[in-house]
Amino acid sequence: GAGVSQSPRYKVAKRGQDVALRCDPISGHVSLFWYQQALGQGPEFLTYFQNEAQLDKSGLPSDRFFAERPEGSVSTLKIQRTQQEDSAVYLCASSPGQGAFDEQFFGPGTRLTVL
Amino acid sequence: AQKITQTQPGMFVQEKEAVTLDCTYDTSDQSYGLFWYKQPSSGEMIFLIYQGSYDEQNATEGRYSLNFQKARKSANLVISASQLGDSAMYFCAMRLIYNQGGKLIFGQGTELSVKP
Repeated sequence: GAGVSQSPRYKVAKRGQDVALRCDPISGHVSLFWYQQALGQGPEFLTYFQNEAQLDKSGLPSDRFFAERPEGSVSTLKIQRTQQEDSAVYLCASSPGQGAFDEQFFGPGTRLTVL
Repeated sequence: AQKITQTQPGMFVQEKEAVTLDCTYDTSDQSYGLFWYKQPSSGEMIFLIYQGSYDEQNATEGRYSLNFQKARKSANLVISASQLGDSAMYFCAMRLIYNQGGKLIFGQGTELSVKP
């Protein structure tokens, strides 16, 4: 079956532009996570959805970051007025249930470069 | 605060030999899960192995085993019979069971290079 997909795979933005990153989780997966991975670092949690409800957004670095999952499947991470420090790989992961024992399946990531 | 520490930025191993990647963790919670992921240059995070905090036996998955020492708060990954395809970044991660939505907390990673 299809895994988690993300688009675009690569995005170059000029500082100040808005960007939208898309995540298609595995069909039927309840939980969806976004992580940010700076170069040479481990991923850091951004936000978590259970179906369409955003239950944890404590990792979003500023109010320029916004995520949504309106129908409980596809999710979009939006970054407004991008800054150079936003350059990173953005990883999406989904898991079938809502329990912490569930494995998280990761997508290939979107590499964002802000010039 | 919860934290994962991986003290080896880079490791080299000869093909067919075993290698241990270190991971220590810090949490005051009693219920948690520990994970190891592999991240090749393509960027995708590949799940390798899981250990629950209440599991008494060390987890094993094929050539991967997790050396879990709860009192020391360590969860080292052992890869036996290394292969060239094992060259990648390896991340240790922790997940709390009862709060924080099940998010993963990752370490800084260890870059493993397997030499022929």
